Amino acid sequence: NAGVTQTPKFQVLKTGQSMTLQCAQDMNHNSMYWYRQDPGMGLRLIYYSASEGTTDKGEVPNGYNVSRLNKREFSLRLESAAPSQTSVYFCASSETGSHSQPQHFGDGTRLSIL
Amino acid sequence: GQQVMQIPQYQHVQEGEDFTTYCNSSTTLSNIQWYKQRPGGHPVFLIQLVKSGEVKKQKRLTFQFGEAKKNSSLHITATQTTDVGTYFCAAGNTPLVFGKGTRLSVIA
Repeated sequence: NAGVTQTPKFQVLKTGQSMTLQCAQDMNHNSMYWYRQDPGMGLRLIYYSASEGTTDKGEVPNGYNVSRLNKREFSLRLESAAPSQTSVYFCASSETGSHSQPQHFGDGTRLSIL
Repeated sequence: GQQVMQIPQYQHVQEGEDFTTYCNSSTTLSNIQWYKQRPGGHPVFLIQLVKSGEVKKQKRLTFQFGEAKKNSSLHITATQTTDVGTYFCAAGNTPLVFGKGTRLSVIA
């Protein structure tokens, strides 16, 4: 019973490198989300996909791109990593995009950019 | 956009003491959710409140939704070391907006 799976769990990049974070869910959920978590800042939404084929910007989308590859998978790409993007990244999913649906989170990716 | 403010940011308690965290909004909320994140872990959904004045309990945890549906609280009775973590509220329109969380430390 995997739920939401994120890869990799840890990554160190140099400034300017690119990277794609992968996320897959096996709960047949329609909606998926990418958050970043920084100390004292809580969870900030980067992008979300309410359903397959749609993506929308969240609170902090600059420097990121996303792809909803299919219903199961939602990837986050950093085209040119910057030290300010050092963070813990969480992927989440919910049955629908409604605010009344609970979100299920993956274990996170700890990303450091030097 | 929608914002939810959580207080306090940090709380240190002795094991056995009670703990309360508050979530406040300037606008009326249709619902509110609470999550717990253990140190090094990921947020886990605890509960959702929908009705004005609603109170729900999970063992030692009591969740309340204000009468005006603008605030909510989470109260833990007789804290244990297993309660350590950060508690988040989440609310608003689609998509959800998370508060910044209250980090609870329990001293044995």
